[in-house]
Amino acid sequence: GAVVSQHPSWVICKSGTSVKIECRSLDFQATTMFWYRQFPKQSLMLMATSNEGSKATYEQGVEKDKFLINHASLTLSTLTVTSAHPEDSSFYICSAVGLAGPFREGNEQFFGPGTRLTVL
Amino acid sequence: RKEVEQDPGPFNVPEGATVAFNCTYSNSASQSFFWYRQDCRKEPKLLMSVYSSGNEDGRFTAQLNRASQYISLLIRDSKLSDSATYLCVVNPPGSSASKIIFGSGTRLSIRP
Repeated sequence: GAVVSQHPSWVICKSGTSVKIECRSLDFQATTMFWYRQFPKQSLMLMATSNEGSKATYEQGVEKDKFLINHASLTLSTLTVTSAHPEDSSFYICSAVGLAGPFREGNEQFFGPGTRLTVL
Repeated sequence: RKEVEQDPGPFNVPEGATVAFNCTYSNSASQSFFWYRQDCRKEPKLLMSVYSSGNEDGRFTAQLNRASQYISLLIRDSKLSDSATYLCVVNPPGSSASKIIFGSGTRLSIRP
């Protein structure tokens, strides 16, 4: 149990286009989903916290108008990178925290496999 | 100062060796601490939580020193499959119980 999927797993796009990444909790309901970004040889940086049915909370320095987050249901959150530029090329990972389930620790986050974005 | 700091390594040790990593955190009011493991180009996975009294899970031992604000991970009898990046993770105070901050990770390479 506690599986999180992301789609697509990788994407290559031209500069100026928008890219949507989906994060789904497959076997549990996720009250909260998190979006992270990881540049090569660096750690995961939290971008925003997404709660179902409410606006996302963005970390300092993350542009909310550039990284649009929608969490319309308890199993799906989307991140849209608008007008992507080469500096947005990164590994984007989501995680989900469930209402209940086979979690080893309370509030354990389960991570999706990530989406590798390359902007040309 | 970063919220969570780790020695990036890499640590290159022979199979069977014991290896230890340390991590320091800046906010003394931090409540929860974890070690995650991340394989190359993969998502991180929870290795273990770190409890005040210290805890062990097989070959892995985690310890917390609140006075000095550091967390450690000890791996005994290391295996080739232990090669990965180990991420020190902290739940910052004043945030939800779910929000976590990652250290930059320590790379470990086990050689035959």
